[in-house]
Amino acid sequence: KQEVTQIPAALSVPEGENLVLNCSFTDSAIYNLQWFRQDPGKGLTSLLLIQSSQREQTSGRLNASLDKSSGRSTLYIAASQPGDSATYLCAGKLMDSSYKLIFGSGTRLLVRP
Amino acid sequence: GAGVSQSPRYKVAKRGQDVALRCDPISGHVSLFWYQQALGQGPEFLTYFQNEAQLDKSGLPSDRFFAERPEGSVSTLKIQRTQQEDSAVYLCASSLLNLVGQLSPLHFGNGTRLTVT
Repeated sequence: KQEVTQIPAALSVPEGENLVLNCSFTDSAIYNLQWFRQDPGKGLTSLLLIQSSQREQTSGRLNASLDKSSGRSTLYIAASQPGDSATYLCAGKLMDSSYKLIFGSGTRLLVRP
Repeated sequence: GAGVSQSPRYKVAKRGQDVALRCDPISGHVSLFWYQQALGQGPEFLTYFQNEAQLDKSGLPSDRFFAERPEGSVSTLKIQRTQQEDSAVYLCASSLLNLVGQLSPLHFGNGTRLTVT
């Protein structure tokens, strides 16, 4: 059974710091991996989608990498801002016929002004 | 608006009552998902529709949970005889499906927070 783990569970950093969020998965037969952002009381917003054939994706100050062999993905946030404060979730889709995503529990990020 | 719309935003039900949660996906989105999110946890998959066909319902926790999407657009998640453990946020998401069966990134609604007392 695929399990997705995110470390750390919570993180507090001063504004301007570069930071890395970690996601690990137990089953390397992963089709793609997505990173989402969730603000309190809101749904999830897709940030980056990495296909299994790719190693990384970039959008603005965000960079996500995928290493299937080690079962890891990282989300790098450059020059963090208070507006980046949110919960960040990673989710993987397996290489099977199912379309479902398996989510980690998230990393709650606070960027202090 | 152009996003996924869910109603009601909040629902309080007494234990044993039936509830119905509605999801209006983005127009033209073939794929529709329901997820359940407990406090402090990531979403857990419940069920998946492709148009009106329910292709995967492996995540529904019991036969008290039922979902439908009769015309391939609006979907309803129904929970019968609600229990306290059903308290959670229920999220709906929709996406496009390309010609080779790949999903585009999911668009989530803001969810329905269900509290069973």
